[in-house]
Amino acid sequence: NAGVTQTPKFQVLKTGQSMTLQCAQDMNHNSMYWYRQDPGMGLRLIYYSASEGTTDKGEVPNGYNVSRLNKREFSLRLESAAPSQTSVYFCASSEQVYEQYFGPGTRLTVT
Amino acid sequence: GDSVTQMEGPVTLSEEAFLTINCTYTATGYPSLFWYVQYPGEGLQLLLKATKADDKGSNKGFEATYRKETTSFHLEKGSVQVSDSAVYFCALTAGGTSYGKLTFGQGTILTVHP
Repeated sequence: NAGVTQTPKFQVLKTGQSMTLQCAQDMNHNSMYWYRQDPGMGLRLIYYSASEGTTDKGEVPNGYNVSRLNKREFSLRLESAAPSQTSVYFCASSEQVYEQYFGPGTRLTVT
Repeated sequence: GDSVTQMEGPVTLSEEAFLTINCTYTATGYPSLFWYVQYPGEGLQLLLKATKADDKGSNKGFEATYRKETTSFHLEKGSVQVSDSAVYFCALTAGGTSYGKLTFGQGTILTVHP
């Protein structure tokens, strides 16, 4: 099992460009999550999907959109990137409410 | 809203020293509490958990006890190793509308020297 995979690993964007971060899990989990990690702030939830076909906003959803493509895949889209979106992005999945499994992260820099 | 506060870091220890990382929380209802660990260049992994008051979570020599009276969940290890160098996150999830969502502390960087 690969667990949770994320692509790309690294990305540099210019302000105003768009991109999609991809996430896939092979554990047959119902719930999936997108977090951003910033120095001194821990992880903050951007969006989550409790089950296939549903998505909900987390703590910091502004500037992002998500798509739960199927049970395995959950993508995060930045429509018009801003320097404030420079961060490390983590995708996670879970079956039980508390044990989340994390991907390796995407390091995004917006110049 | 729910929140988690961890002790300021970074923490630097010598091998075989005793480790304590403090964590306190604010939450409505009866949260479940967790410690996650992030090794360099990797995603987070669940280290241990406790789901009700007075529960003790333990794993890989680490322990933490859910103290409702002091709203705390401090992480301890009796003898740290170089391989324990990582970032440690305290987190909670509560019931109700926040069910299934984790709230994280800011993380504590631990460095262990030989």
